[in-house]
Amino acid sequence: QVQLQESGPGLVKPSGTLSLTCVVSGGSISSSNWWSWVRQPPGKGLEWIGEIYHSGSTNYNPSLKSRVTMSVDKSKNQFSLKLSSVTAADTAVYYCARVLTVQALDPWGQGTLVTVSS
Amino acid sequence: DIVMTQSPLSLPVTPGEPASISCRSSQSLLHSNGYNCLHWYLQKPGQSPQLLIYLGSSRASGVSDRFSGSGSGTDFTLQISRVEAEDVGVYYCLQGLQTPYTFGQGTKLEIK
Repeated sequence: QVQLQESGPGLVKPSGTLSLTCVVSGGSISSSNWWSWVRQPPGKGLEWIGEIYHSGSTNYNPSLKSRVTMSVDKSKNQFSLKLSSVTAADTAVYYCARVLTVQALDPWGQGTLVTVSS
Repeated sequence: DIVMTQSPLSLPVTPGEPASISCRSSQSLLHSNGYNCLHWYLQKPGQSPQLLIYLGSSRASGVSDRFSGSGSGTDFTLQISRVEAEDVGVYYCLQGLQTPYTFGQGTKLEIK
């Protein structure tokens, strides 16, 4: 079955750029699914960041749109997230997830904690 | 954005007793295809969210039949027929009708 695994630096300096990658295994990123990023600040709820299709089409949360860039690497079966101009408010566990055709997110990766601190 | 509101935010339950969580949306989640784009998740302590119910009332693969979902339009309910210790965690609803997808605040279920 499809599995997702996030990776990237766990510590980013304020005003820097957060960069994460999600590797898809057990399935193709070129399937008829969108692929999403969701984040969760420590002890808080879930926030949808955006989604990307294998063609490169994207939808971003307007609250983050000016700072977010998503991309796909079909040769590596992975997709990526970049979030620029980060502050402490961007400290969170970042999850990647597949978007099903019913617009539910499943499965999710295990998540990776990114801390913004100098 | 569609605002999702859950209640209660905290839910202490005795094992073997039923439990119910409400989720309301600021606009109808009924798609033109006749399905409600409302999904339920459980995030167990230290884990990623796991899909329980999709399209309002369909159980995801491997989910216990103790879990059921109902509702339409703007009002939805997740019911657990008999709560077990393994059900502890935070339950979230998610609307997938339109982007940005939005989650409810979460309901923390604990065992009395």
